[in-house]
Formats: sequence, C-alpha cells, structure tokens
Amino acid sequence: DVKVTQSSRYLVKRTGEKVFLECVQDMDHENMFWYRQDPGLGLRLIYFSYDVKMKEKGDIPEGYSVSREKKERFSLILESASTNQTSMYLCASRTMGNEQFFGPGTRLTVL
Amino acid sequence: GQNIDQPTEMTATEGAIVQINCTYQTSGFNGLFWYQQHAGEAPTFLSYNVLDGLEEKGRFSSFLSRSKGYSYLLLKELQMKDSASYLCAVGPVYNQGGKLIFGQGTELSVKP
Repeated sequence: DVKVTQSSRYLVKRTGEKVFLECVQDMDHENMFWYRQDPGLGLRLIYFSYDVKMKEKGDIPEGYSVSREKKERFSLILESASTNQTSMYLCASRTMGNEQFFGPGTRLTVL
Repeated sequence: GQNIDQPTEMTATEGAIVQINCTYQTSGFNGLFWYQQHAGEAPTFLSYNVLDGLEEKGRFSSFLSRSKGYSYLLLKELQMKDSASYLCAVGPVYNQGGKLIFGQGTELSVKP
C-alpha cells in the first residue's frame, strides 16, 4: 500500500525558530513536493524535487528551503519561522502515472 | 496565467446527486484531477481525466471538456461520509516536476 508519512501532525513554534518538517515515501518515487494549504488560497507549491540532491523552487519559495539527501526523504526547512508561515503543510510524491499521493499533513502554528 | 475556479461551498441532501463544477484557464494542459479531502486529513485521489468525456467510477463520475476548459465531478447516492472538500487540479506541469495547480476547493455538506 502506498505510504507518505510526515514527522508531525501538529507543531507549535516561536517566531525566529528554525523548523524542520520531514516527509518520507516508501514507493521509490523520484518526484516529491511540498505544498502549503490555506483557507481561500488552496494548495500552493513551495518546492519540488525530481531526484536526490535536486531541488527546484515552486510558486512561493520565499522563507523556505529544502533538502533531499535520500530518495525517500524530502525535508522542508523554515530558516526563521514567522507568523505568516502558520499553515497546513502537505508533502506529496508522484507516480509515473502522474497521480500524486499526499502525506497526512503537518499543521504548523508559529506564535 | 493560471486560473482554476470552483464554487466555495455546496449543500446537498443524503441520497441525492450533486455536481461540482470546475473551470480552468492554464497555459498548458496535460490532464485534470479531482481529489477528496476530509477535514484535517490528506487529499485522496478520486479521478484523472486526460481526454474529453465522462469517466465513471462507482458513485463518482468525472467529466472533461478541453475545448471549454471545463470539468465536473458528479456524486450519486450521496452519503453523509461524502461531506468533504473536493479539489480540482490541473497538471502535471512537466517542466516543473509534474506539479499540480489546485483550485481553492469546494466544501460539500451532506445533510440528512
């Protein structure tokens, strides 16, 4: 069964903290994505990766960075968390058939 | 530019049929996806249309008209568990890793 897991379901951090969100997929997919989801705005792409150590900016990369050291793991990093980064963060990986599988999401609150 | 529109919310009655529309204007088109998302959970895949026409999968059907930039998701014999947000997405955008471009989602409430 397809599986995308994220390290935390809920996270509370303070402004200025460095935040790591981890995502792991067990399907040997090459393409992985980080989205954020906000009411009224839908899902927006932050970063994506199409191979180990390869990363590309999505539509809203400012304030974020990513790391892909192993094929199965794609990490999202908030270098210095701010209140406007309070959101639901969703990781996804993509099959060769174009379907994207999503992780359960991490609801991050920045105080 | 990229624009995907779908109604913000809809209400329907248990046992009824509901149609959720989606219109899109995108610079390229490779297919249209529908996802279901229950509150607090991950989106789950429902359908993927590449060619014009209707695709049926149990109680759910999805229709695509590429010339009109239009799709709909049809849910029959509604059940209370169908209360969820339904996301329309266009893609994959191959020169951006196969990303999907999402609409805002339609919040469907099924009433008894």
